[in-house]
Amino acid sequence: QVQLVQSGAEVKKPGASVKVSCKASGYSFTNYLMYWVRQAPGQGLEWMGMINPSGGSTNYAQKFQGRITVTRDTSTNTVYMELSSLRSEDTAIYYCTRTTGMDYWGQGTLVTVSS
Amino acid sequence: DIVMTQTPLSSPVTLGQSASISCRSSQSLVHNDGNTYLSWLQQRPGQPPRLLIYKISNRFSGVPDRFSGSGAGTDFTLKISGVEAEDVGVYYCMQATPFPHRIIFGGGTKVEIK
Repeated sequence: QVQLVQSGAEVKKPGASVKVSCKASGYSFTNYLMYWVRQAPGQGLEWMGMINPSGGSTNYAQKFQGRITVTRDTSTNTVYMELSSLRSEDTAIYYCTRTTGMDYWGQGTLVTVSS
Repeated sequence: DIVMTQTPLSSPVTLGQSASISCRSSQSLVHNDGNTYLSWLQQRPGQPPRLLIYKISNRFSGVPDRFSGSGAGTDFTLKISGVEAEDVGVYYCMQATPFPHRIIFGGGTKVEIK
């Protein structure tokens, strides 16, 4: 069965970077795009970026351009999302989700940005 | 930019009764390929979102048939026929197309039991 397992919670100081991982299993990793979506406390969903695991091409939401980097490791079927220059407003749960249709989701990774 | 507006913000429902959620887009969601990539997600408290409906009216694997989607163009509806306790949560409509790449979420509708 399809599973997306994310790395654990992180606490970061303002200005730091965070790197969240998403390990995929149960399907052909390079056949499906992978997306990152975040959700601030009590708020809605926000698309951040995506990667094509086959060739590594990426597409980022304009809001995060310059701060986000999404990469993948095909040897371990893992996608990474790194967000830099963190500020308190980046405190959120970060999700990976498969394909444009968002048919499967990771369990989420809480990133807390606090001094 | 396309804006997706959901109504109501909150929907208190009696167990066994039906609930309807509206999602209105500021522009037609009909894609160049003829498809309309409008989906519905459910997010139970403390859980990640879960895909319920894709391309307006297609139920995803394992989704109970009490969930149904309808609509066209700019107006879409999710209906829950016979709400059960496990249906409590926030529901989001979503437009997602790969080419041109566009992901837009509605603001969410909270379904709760009266």
